[in-house]
Formats: sequence, C-alpha cells, structure tokens
Amino acid sequence: KNQVEQSPQSLIILEGKNCTLQCNYTVSPFSNLRWYKQDTGRGPVSLTIMTFSENTKSNGRYTATLDADTKQSSLHITASQLSDSASYICVVRRGDSWGKLQFGAGTQVVVTP
Amino acid sequence: GAGVSQSPSNKVTEKGKDVELRCDPISGHTALYWYRQSLGQGLEFLIYFQGNSAPDKSGLPSDRFSAERTGGSVSTLTIQRTQQEDSAVYLCASSFGGFQETQYFGPGTRLLVL
Repeated sequence: KNQVEQSPQSLIILEGKNCTLQCNYTVSPFSNLRWYKQDTGRGPVSLTIMTFSENTKSNGRYTATLDADTKQSSLHITASQLSDSASYICVVRRGDSWGKLQFGAGTQVVVTP
Repeated sequence: GAGVSQSPSNKVTEKGKDVELRCDPISGHTALYWYRQSLGQGLEFLIYFQGNSAPDKSGLPSDRFSAERTGGSVSTLTIQRTQQEDSAVYLCASSFGGFQETQYFGPGTRLLVL
C-alpha cells in the first residue's frame, strides 16, 4: 500500500476558480513534505516544502497546509490560471538517517477557459 | 544555468532489445537519482548515487536494470532485454546533497517497448 495517498485523482476547474488538493500519508518517522508541480512532458518542480512545525506555507497563488498530527496536507490553488494545468505530486521524506522519499501518484488538474 | 538534461527524450524499442538512457545532472550536484513514472502511478525510486559512495540500488526492479555514474557526473541507466512492462517515463534528478536537499528533475525519457 502506498504510504502517500492523494485525492482526487483528477479534477477539472474553470479558470479563475479555486481548488484544493489533498494528501494523506502514513510515512513514519516524518521529516518534511513537498508539493511538486509537473507540467506535461516535463520533470517535477518543487512548489513548497513544509517541516513538522510548519502549518501553512504559500508560494504565490499556491498555499500548502500541513497537519502533522493527522498526517494530512492540502494544496490550495487560488484564482486558477490555464498554466496551472498540471499534475501535482505530494512527496514525503522519511525522518530517518537515510531520508528516502515517498511519492504520491499525483492529482491531475485541468483548468478550462 | 543549465538544468538536468536527459536523452533521448523519447525511445521506442522492440521487446528483448537493450536500451541506454542518459542523464546530465546540474554541474556541482553530488547526488543523482533515477525514478520511473508509469501511467497513473507515482514516481518509483530506482537508484541513488551520492559522491563516491556505493550507489543505493534498492529500487531496481530486476537484474535487467543497471546504472552507472562516470566521473561523478553523467549517468547512464541501462535496461537489458526490455519487456513491455518497462514502458514508462524515466526521470533523473540531481541535488547538492542527499535526499534532504531539493531535487531538480530532468524532463524525462519516454520509453515505449513494443
């Protein structure tokens, strides 16, 4: 079973609207959680990184939240633009000495005019 | 500066053939990673190189897969006797340090095994 589960698998939103993506994880021990944006045909690009003590972090119109107690994170996209169409991947790093990454399957977002 | 580059961008091969995928990491990055991304699946870790240390090969799915990193820079991922289930996007990433550092990804190589 994947230790990082993302939902929804995909969504379609109208340009200008907001949306929220969810990430639930069971990775333990926990070090940090990143959200990546992957445009079609491109490699993933880091949007935000959050550690155990951080609850909210913003990067422009992207706002990530983290609840380390419930092991849940969300990525909120405000006033979506066509360029936001991409796959959004949640990645959790283990908190042990090796620190391997666990990747979610991603949420495919399509923004329509 | 230049990012991570990969070649070829697309590769179509016949079942049973060998393929080589190349990754040029960002200059100065000591760590290099290979991942596989199958349709609808999350990124799957394959192998990790860090400086002169022995690589972490724990993610390689079978002995048909191997990778080398020459001179601490360029890396080649080799898949021998390709199978249809090997079809995927193979992503390379590099970072200044280990897994705790931000990884910068290349555009990937799309492999299709017929």
